[in-house]
Amino acid sequence: DQQVKQNSPSLSVQEGRISILNCDYTNSMFDYFLWYKKYPAEGPTFLISISSIKDKNEDGRFTVFLNKSAKHLSLHIVPSQPGDSAVYFCAASAGSSNTGKLIFGQGTTLQVKP
Amino acid sequence: DSGVTQTPKHLITATGQRVTLRCSPRSGDLSVYWYQQSLDQGLQFLIQYYNGEERAKGNILERFSAQQFPDLHSELNLSSLELGDSALYFCASSATGISTEAFFGQGTRLTVV
Repeated sequence: DQQVKQNSPSLSVQEGRISILNCDYTNSMFDYFLWYKKYPAEGPTFLISISSIKDKNEDGRFTVFLNKSAKHLSLHIVPSQPGDSAVYFCAASAGSSNTGKLIFGQGTTLQVKP
Repeated sequence: DSGVTQTPKHLITATGQRVTLRCSPRSGDLSVYWYQQSLDQGLQFLIQYYNGEERAKGNILERFSAQQFPDLHSELNLSSLELGDSALYFCASSATGISTEAFFGQGTRLTVV
């Protein structure tokens, strides 16, 4: 049962344009969402997060939007840079679990072309 | 550098064997998590330890076990290995038992032949 889904395995955008990565979830108990970025041969690196009490969180070029009614979140990168090329994982947690356990999506490989 | 150290980086072993993966968390972090990433899959949560005690368990096989020692380092033991156990195994750490902004190590790539 895939509780967190990233339906696009890959995305290619031109440098300077917007990258939009999408994520859907099924578990209504999830109340905290995170995006991690992963380069080859490295571990995932935390990028940005959002609590379910918000619908938007911004950090520099990165913005995460949360639509609770649709159980959907998206990561916007503006402007995209070649160094942003990596695998992006969406993850979710349920505060009620009283743990730091994360449920991850399968990842989306972003390629930003110069 | 996340501050989380995993050893070894690569491991090749035969079916039926047993291996131990080691993780040193960031200084001061009390929680350690283990995740498995199989080919083209997301990271699957295996187990969490907090200050030496098991805190949460995911779909961890009975052939797998873990522990966290008094110095807070952790070991993941995989036994009776099967070809399907070939994967990347990541360790992560966080400051508290409920902090989700965990820091990940570089992973151990296990290949079972």
